[in-house]
Amino acid sequence: SQTIHQWPATLVQPVGSPLSLECTVEGTSNPNLYWYRQAAGRGLQLLFYSVGIGQISSEVPQNLSASRPQDRQFILSSKKLLLSDSGFYLCAWSYVFLLAGGSSYNEQFFGPGTRLTVL
Amino acid sequence: RKEVEQDPGPFNVPEGATVAFNCTYSNSASQSFFWYRQDCRKEPKLLMSVYSSGNEDGRFTAQLNRASQYISLLIRDSKLSDSATYLCVVPTGDTGFQKLVFGTGTRLLVSP
Repeated sequence: SQTIHQWPATLVQPVGSPLSLECTVEGTSNPNLYWYRQAAGRGLQLLFYSVGIGQISSEVPQNLSASRPQDRQFILSSKKLLLSDSGFYLCAWSYVFLLAGGSSYNEQFFGPGTRLTVL
Repeated sequence: RKEVEQDPGPFNVPEGATVAFNCTYSNSASQSFFWYRQDCRKEPKLLMSVYSSGNEDGRFTAQLNRASQYISLLIRDSKLSDSATYLCVVPTGDTGFQKLVFGTGTRLLVSP
């Protein structure tokens, strides 16, 4: 079965400090990978997604970057954190089911998340 | 219309009650839909997938109305453990790669 790991679980960082969050997936190969952020009381915002090693798509301009150095590893980084970077960061993986008629559906499975507080 | 819209609630119901949430979506081309459950300070977990007119899993029933572009989630015989936020999720994009758009969620509180 597939599992997804994220660390650290919680992080408190000062403004201006760097950030590195890591996500790894086990039990599958060539997954689609995603980074989301959920601010307090808000919905999930897609930050980055990746369909393969070295392939990163950014959804919104921001203070963050992502990398995928290995098939099942996804890293979220920042050189200098801002107060607005605080939130709950979630990594997810997916595969795509193809249905008869050419349609598809795309179930995503989330890691346990990292709760980041920037002070 | 927003891409995905949900009533934030909270819905306060007693144990044993039946409760239903609706979710409207704007992309008429969407073919599959999902309901996720999120407990406080935890990650969302997939509850149900809907890729035809509906789906049923025990006490949970999801129905899709493509003409009116809404999805509903019905919970029968509510349990205390059903208290959570329920996220409606709609894919966007082409068949080759789809991104999921998450609603902001409907909060359910089940009381004794």
